[in-house]
Amino acid sequence: AQTVTQSQPEMSVQEAETVTLSCTYDTSESDYYLFWYKQPPSRQMILVIRQEAYKQQNATENRFSVNFQKAAKSFSLKISDSQLGDAAMYFCAYRSAARDDKIIFGKGTRLHILP
Amino acid sequence: NAGVTQTPKFQVLKTGQSMTLQCAQDMNHEYMSWYRQDPGMGLRLIHYSVGAGITDQGEVPNGYNVSRSTTEDFPLRLLSAAPSQTSVYFCASSRDRGDNQPQHFGDGTRLSIL
Repeated sequence: AQTVTQSQPEMSVQEAETVTLSCTYDTSESDYYLFWYKQPPSRQMILVIRQEAYKQQNATENRFSVNFQKAAKSFSLKISDSQLGDAAMYFCAYRSAARDDKIIFGKGTRLHILP
Repeated sequence: NAGVTQTPKFQVLKTGQSMTLQCAQDMNHEYMSWYRQDPGMGLRLIHYSVGAGITDQGEVPNGYNVSRSTTEDFPLRLLSAAPSQTSVYFCASSRDRGDNQPQHFGDGTRLSIL
């Protein structure tokens, strides 16, 4: 069974600085998808970025980028120029490319932005 | 386009009561799922469905039932509420194929069991 591990329950970063959130996963599959979701205090779940396992190029969305290391089964999220609005819980998620498989989330990392 | 709609947003129950959390989506998504979110535990999958008439258990299915009679609806039933089921519940949906499409989440239901 697949598992997703986020080893940092909480992190803090100074506003305008860069922070990296870690995520590792365990799977025997070769084809899958990885996601980072953000959950602000409003409780909404917002997609931040996604990565296809078959793509070697790391995904980027404005200030958000990932470091995808398939062999190491690592999928870290880098937030550049951190802003106060980035304060939230961040969840890493794994989705198998198999049609009928479930989607699995890590336990989350709470990110604090220090003004 | 309403997306994923969960009702109610808040609910207080007494131990032993039963209730149904409603979830509906209008995006013709085949994959739907229920999660519970507890402090320090992240999102734990309760049940999921890959299409109408098909359901399967997730990580924490005990005490919960689901059914999927239509593509749009995926209700979650608590048969006999227990204080351990106090949590925030999220319903989510996505396209059926295992692909890169993200899940769409409802706004959550905060459930308290006294």
